[in-house]
Amino acid sequence: AQKVTQAQTEISVVEKEDVTLDCVYETRDTTYYLFWYKQPPSGELVFLIRRNSFDEQNEISGRYSWNFQKSTSSFNFTITASQVVDSAVYFCALSGVIQGAQKLVFGQGTRLTINP
Amino acid sequence: GAVVSQHPSWVICKSGTSVKIECRSLDFQATTMFWYRQFPKQSLMLMATSNEGSKATYEQGVEKDKFLINHASLTLSTLTVTSAHPEDSSFYICSARYLRGSSYNEQFFGPGTRLTVL
Repeated sequence: AQKVTQAQTEISVVEKEDVTLDCVYETRDTTYYLFWYKQPPSGELVFLIRRNSFDEQNEISGRYSWNFQKSTSSFNFTITASQVVDSAVYFCALSGVIQGAQKLVFGQGTRLTINP
Repeated sequence: GAVVSQHPSWVICKSGTSVKIECRSLDFQATTMFWYRQFPKQSLMLMATSNEGSKATYEQGVEKDKFLINHASLTLSTLTVTSAHPEDSSFYICSARYLRGSSYNEQFFGPGTRLTVL
């Protein structure tokens, strides 16, 4: 069975601080995909990144960066120089590769609050 | 591209009534649509997967007779909450996917529908 754990339920930091959101996953698949989504107060999910299990390169997109470590089954997300607009709930998710099994399994989410 | 809409965005109904939520893929044909439910401050839980022209596949613990799903066309899926009760109050989110030749077929999410049952 697939499982995603986001141990941090809530994080609160002051603007401009760096913050890392942790994600640990479990799967028996050798090939899989990992995701991060942002859910602002409006409720709509915003896709941030998809990573194939074969690609362990870290990725940076502006203030966002992701650290994928297969050895520890982790896919952590760091926001550098956080801003108030980054306040949202962030979900890490996992999906299989086989078309019939491409269901998304979400973690419990981390509520991030950036205080001015 | 790849826009998914939901209607209504919010609905309030009385206990015992039925509510229909529509999910539309606006600029692509969705071979598969997914329905999720999200309770306040909780994660998204997959309720069912529907493929166009066939019966939906429900996740364990989801009542088929209570949550009726119809995927009659490649651009429209509907979720009907029958005989709604206050415990059905939740945020319902759909996603749509089209099959391509690539190994992964991305899900595109709708904006969600907030259901409140009085």
